[in-house]
Amino acid sequence: DAGITQSPRHKVTETGTPVTLRCHQTENHRYMYWYRQDPGHGLRLIHYSYGVKDTDKGEVSDGYSVSRSKTEDFLLTLESATSSQTSVYFCAIRAGTASTDTQYFGPGTRLTVL
Amino acid sequence: AQTVTQSQPEMSVQEAETVTLSCTYDTSESDYYLFWYKQPPSRQMILVIRQEAYKQQNATENRFSVNFQKAAKSFSLKISDSQLGDAAMYFCAYGRGAQKLVFGQGTRLTINP
Repeated sequence: DAGITQSPRHKVTETGTPVTLRCHQTENHRYMYWYRQDPGHGLRLIHYSYGVKDTDKGEVSDGYSVSRSKTEDFLLTLESATSSQTSVYFCAIRAGTASTDTQYFGPGTRLTVL
Repeated sequence: AQTVTQSQPEMSVQEAETVTLSCTYDTSESDYYLFWYKQPPSRQMILVIRQEAYKQQNATENRFSVNFQKAAKSFSLKISDSQLGDAAMYFCAYGRGAQKLVFGQGTRLTINP
């Protein structure tokens, strides 16, 4: 499972409230990613990090911010949650050698915004 | 921007038979990677197989193999001797190395006993 945990695993919140999702890894990987999964869209990249304090936007970054103050933790924040952000959120890490370079995923967080 | 298309929203196959899932992609790059991930009802994303674009040889992992046609930008997954545990959503993904993967919409595979 590449030592990736996500918390919380489920969350229900109300429109307009701030929400922070946490991704934690135990194997010191440099690259970490946040994706969202919605029906009909597969997974789409929100933000990613290529080191401590180094982050960049993905395809669907509007309404989201991220932070990475230490290697093992990558936080995703919804400053003011909206119903369109109801989704399943996956964290991933990049691991492997040049011949096995692959992303491995955490178990996901189901977020419902009412 | 790169796009990945899975044109079969759902597929079904009899147990022990062979099934092929389709994937096409669009890119102007010559060096890239392609992946198939499996997502069972547990929701966990599991890597099935990985293909490097510069390698002509099709990747194989036990009962899973790919047909990689670079010129046609096609990357299909063949599952041989289908088992009940193969039932899942299957996602095709494109990436430059393993950076910033772009996923297809997924194909739901049902295995009939």
